[in-house]
Amino acid sequence: AQKVTQAQTEISVVEKEDVTLDCVYETRDTTYYLFWYKQPPSGELVFLIRRNSFDEQNEISGRYSWNFQKSTSSFNFTITASQVVDSAVYFCALGEETSGSRLTFGEGTQLTVNP
Amino acid sequence: KAGVTQTPRYLIKTRGQQVTLSCSPISGHRSVSWYQQTPGQGLQFLFEYFSETQRNKGNFPGRFSGRQFSNSRSEMNVSTLELGDSALYLCASSFRNGGGNEQFFGPGTRLTVL
Repeated sequence: AQKVTQAQTEISVVEKEDVTLDCVYETRDTTYYLFWYKQPPSGELVFLIRRNSFDEQNEISGRYSWNFQKSTSSFNFTITASQVVDSAVYFCALGEETSGSRLTFGEGTQLTVNP
Repeated sequence: KAGVTQTPRYLIKTRGQQVTLSCSPISGHRSVSWYQQTPGQGLQFLFEYFSETQRNKGNFPGRFSGRQFSNSRSEMNVSTLELGDSALYLCASSFRNGGGNEQFFGPGTRLTVL
C-alpha cells in the first residue's frame, strides 16, 4: 500500500536560513509521481512541483529545490534564504499510475519563518 | 483562467442533517477529486470523477457520495452528519484522470457539525 511520511511536524527558522523538509514514500508501483503542495492559512493547496519515478534529476526553481532519490525513497524539499511569506504547511504527496488521480498525502510540515 | 471554485465556503450543520457541497473545476478540466482534511487524519481522498463516472473511491462510509455533471461540475453529499465529519473539504481538478496529472485545488468548504 502507498504511504507518505513527513517526520517533521513543525519547523521554526529565522528569516534567511535554509530549511529542508523531508519526505519518504512507499509504493509498489514502478510508475508513480511525487508532488509538493503548500497550504497557507487561507487553506487552498498550492501546487509546487511534480516528479515522475523515471526522472531523478534534481530541480531548482528560484529559492526552491528538490532532491529525489529513489534509492532511499525520498523526495526532499529545500527552501534557500527563507522568507516570512514561506510560512505555511507543506505537504508531500504520492500518485500512482494504477490509482487514477488519487493522491496520498503526508501528514504535512508546519514551517514558521520568523523575522 | 478562473481557478477551482467551491461553494459554500463555510457551513454549519447539526448532527443528523445532510449537506451538499459544490465544486466547479477549471474550464476544460474533466477530472474532479474530493479530499477531506481534519487535524487528526490529515488529507484523505474521498473520490474521483471523470466524465461523469466515479473512477476511484477512498475508504469512507456510504454516507459520503458524489456525482459529476456533464459540464464537469461536481457535488458531494454527506448524509446523517456526525460530529467527526467536521472538516475542510477540498476539491481538485485536472485536465485528465491519471496519476501524473497536476491537480489544482480549490479554497475548500469548511464544514462544522454541531
